[in-house]
Amino acid sequence: EVNLVESGGGLVQPGRSLRLSCAASGFKFDDYAMHWVRQVPGKGLEWVAGVSWDSGRIAYGDSVKGRFTISRDNAKTALYLQMDSLRSEDMALYYCAKGGPSGIDAFDMWGQGTMVTVSS
Amino acid sequence: NFMLTQPHSVSESPGKTVTISCTRSSGRIASSYVHWYQQRPGRSPTNVIYEDNQRPSGVPNRFSGSIDTSSNSASLTISGLTTEDEADYYCQSYDSNTRGVVFGGGTTLTV
Repeated sequence: EVNLVESGGGLVQPGRSLRLSCAASGFKFDDYAMHWVRQVPGKGLEWVAGVSWDSGRIAYGDSVKGRFTISRDNAKTALYLQMDSLRSEDMALYYCAKGGPSGIDAFDMWGQGTMVTVSS
Repeated sequence: NFMLTQPHSVSESPGKTVTISCTRSSGRIASSYVHWYQQRPGRSPTNVIYEDNQRPSGVPNRFSGSIDTSSNSASLTISGLTTEDEADYYCQSYDSNTRGVVFGGGTTLTV
């Protein structure tokens, strides 16, 4: 069974850092692109970042470029999101999502999300 | 960069058919696949249509997708509506210029 489990969310002060993790299982992790998508409660989905299967291609949404870093460890079947210089507008539920072999593919599996709260 | 614009909400009666549109602001709609997601309240999104008009296994054939190059838009059509279809629906496409992913703003379906 394909499973994605996010962790690492919590309460953090503005300007501080947080690292999210996503543990993947049930599929050949190193065959697929992976993504982070966030959602402010009650609002829509916002794509945050994506990484290709081999980490050779990485892209970010404009609102997080230069502050967030996506990475993956294929040996550990894990996806990460290093979030620096956090702002109040980064407060959201962060989902890990499984893409396809390329960036154009749909996200066919999503985790349950981990909540990030940015507040002093 | 382009945007995907969806109606904020749609409403239809049980048993009827509803269509949700997703209009691309610039560039051709056919230049990149459109995918659709359903998000029920309190749940994670699930993919209901991929590559414009393909249905993942397990998604009922009441769900269908299409694109219309004349209006530069994609559509999700749900027939035989039931209360289980009440959810938010999002379209999504890939931006080859930025190598990023774009989501529409979402449409709340009330049955």
